[in-house]
Amino acid sequence: QVQLQESGPGLVKPSQTLSLTCTVSGGSISSGSYYWNFIRQPAGKGLQWIGRIYTSGDTNYNPSLKSRVTMSVDTSKNQFSLKLASVTAADTAVYYCARAPTSDDVFDIWGQGTMVTVSS
Amino acid sequence: QSVLTQPPSASGTPGQRVTISCSGSSSNIGSNFVYWYQQVPGTAPKLLIYRSNQRPSGVPDRFSGSKSGTSASLAISGLRSEDEADYYCATWDDSLSAWVFGGGTRLTVL
Repeated sequence: QVQLQESGPGLVKPSQTLSLTCTVSGGSISSGSYYWNFIRQPAGKGLQWIGRIYTSGDTNYNPSLKSRVTMSVDTSKNQFSLKLASVTAADTAVYYCARAPTSDDVFDIWGQGTMVTVSS
Repeated sequence: QSVLTQPPSASGTPGQRVTISCSGSSSNIGSNFVYWYQQVPGTAPKLLIYRSNQRPSGVPDRFSGSKSGTSASLAISGLRSEDEADYYCATWDDSLSAWVFGGGTRLTVL
């Protein structure tokens, strides 16, 4: 069955760029029709959708983060990635990647999440 | 401040029925399906309800969802201790062109 796994630095300095990768296993990122998403959750707080990418490269971003977010997909590595620029302490959170079938557009498979702390 | 409004907490005793509400607007709940996710602290959210009232396979029929106008509800009947978790509603917002979530409801089984 398909599984997702986030990876990337656990500590990022303020004003730098946060970079995370989500690796898809158990299936091809290019097979089927899916949106590939990043969602984050600050400690003790709710979920915030960051954005999504289709395997064609088409993207949608949360308007509140759009100026700082870039997502990309690498089908050869079965991965998709997130870059969040000019980070501050407010970007400290657990970051999840999640799959959403275009037919239902529901987050049906999630990664386990990775904690990213923004601190000098 | 979340776009969708949920009560921060809810509680019930084993066997009881509990309802969690989710309030939005015409641009989100009023125009789109609602989804519910269950999150046990320290783990990733799990899909509970999709298309406002559909259960994925494996989700007990004790869980049910409904939608009316710009509000939605999640009902849990026959409450069990393992239902203790955080519950989030979510939907697409046409004005924002973004997924939006409720602030989450912490369910305590007394």
